[in-house]
Amino acid sequence: QKEVEQNSGPLSVPEGAIASLNCTYSDRGSQSFFWYRQYSGKSPELIMSIYSNGDKEDGRFTAQLNKASQYVSLLIRDSQPSDSATYLCAVNKQGGSYIPTFGRGTSLIVHP
Amino acid sequence: DAGVIQSPRHEVTEMGQEVTLRCKPISGHNSLFWYRQTMMRGLELLIYFNNNVPIDDSGMPEDRFSAKMPNASFSTLKIQPSEPRDSAVYFCASSLSSSGVGYFGPGTRLTVL
Repeated sequence: QKEVEQNSGPLSVPEGAIASLNCTYSDRGSQSFFWYRQYSGKSPELIMSIYSNGDKEDGRFTAQLNKASQYVSLLIRDSQPSDSATYLCAVNKQGGSYIPTFGRGTSLIVHP
Repeated sequence: DAGVIQSPRHEVTEMGQEVTLRCKPISGHNSLFWYRQTMMRGLELLIYFNNNVPIDDSGMPEDRFSAKMPNASFSTLKIQPSEPRDSAVYFCASSLSSSGVGYFGPGTRLTVL
């Protein structure tokens, strides 16, 4: 089992819809969870971080964490074509040194 | 504030040549990561430094790869000799180890012919 798993997609949604991206992780002791956005040819950019169970909202983005089920998700409301990118889930291992492990990413396409 | 700086941005070299990639982390950050990204394998952690000391180099693929961090503001990743399968985008990222949040540099696209 991979440490961090994501569906590679592509996930295609119409403009204005809600895009839902999911990620599961294997290390039950993981404590920090991040979503990065990566445009084609660019470097990953941090968009959300979440540390405790529940929802965290930032503008059109909502991160959801369920540690019991070991999954974290990202919801993008009112999706725009500019949201088209690859979204990477990252999970930090427990225990002091913050070494993030990345999933392979989910490609999101928002079509007009 | 300047972000993570990497050089060169593009490197084309021939098999067998030595390649050196450079990184300047964000000032004040005490953790530095080198990643490699390919279509086949995604984003792979190569090595992690904390306070200039290598903590985890288990991702370094083989002895041809080496990394140094002589001070808090500079790190290098060297490949000697380079091989075509080393072709990838190499990212450097830095963070405050207490935050666990990594900020990525623009990357170096390496092509080994």
